[in-house]
Amino acid sequence: DQQVKQNSPSLSVQEGRISILNCDYTNSMFDYFLWYKKYPAEGPTFLISISSIKDKNEDGRFTVFLNKSAKHLSLHIVPSQPGDSAVYFCAAFSGNTGKLIFGQGTTLQVKP
Amino acid sequence: EPEVTQTPSHQVTQMGQEVILRCVPISNHLYFYWYRQILGQKVEFLVSFYNNEISEKSEIFDDQFSVERPDGSNFTLKIRSTKLEDSAMYFCASTGYPSNQPQHFGDGTRLSIL
Repeated sequence: DQQVKQNSPSLSVQEGRISILNCDYTNSMFDYFLWYKKYPAEGPTFLISISSIKDKNEDGRFTVFLNKSAKHLSLHIVPSQPGDSAVYFCAAFSGNTGKLIFGQGTTLQVKP
Repeated sequence: EPEVTQTPSHQVTQMGQEVILRCVPISNHLYFYWYRQILGQKVEFLVSFYNNEISEKSEIFDDQFSVERPDGSNFTLKIRSTKLEDSAMYFCASTGYPSNQPQHFGDGTRLSIL
């Protein structure tokens, strides 16, 4: 299932700088997009979401941008902290099916 | 903060045996899900459950799989005759009403089929 893609398997940034994680999708019928964070041996933890009718949603250090024409979304973390080091999953939600479709994940490493 | 809990954290089973994975969703949630992640692959949807019946299932969720909510708190996934390729992390998730709220995940059960 290639409907949601995260093309960068890993990203490394310095503490205090901005982290930008990217995600592309193919189905214009998705209703919501979500970002989850996952630490080893834990389940995905919800971080932030955006409705398909919005183009930006901000929550503290986390901002998600949605570009519908490009079918692209990004998660910005600023400033990045070492505790942000984790795997980040982009997911798309369809109200018709109720299921989440996940990207492959991007491993973020924030160096002190 | 309320959590989704899953037991056991690790299950080792012989091929061909039945296995039951257990989940306690968040108490006021109405929609329940199972996902799995094979090592090195994406998290993939298996099944959703609402109002005591399956609302959606994937191609993976064949006749070997079943789900049940036997009481007001537990949500189980049963695999009748396990295969080697069933080895994966299995995640339970739940959400409240409406269903477009973020799904909350448990920490998963690692299923190893020998």
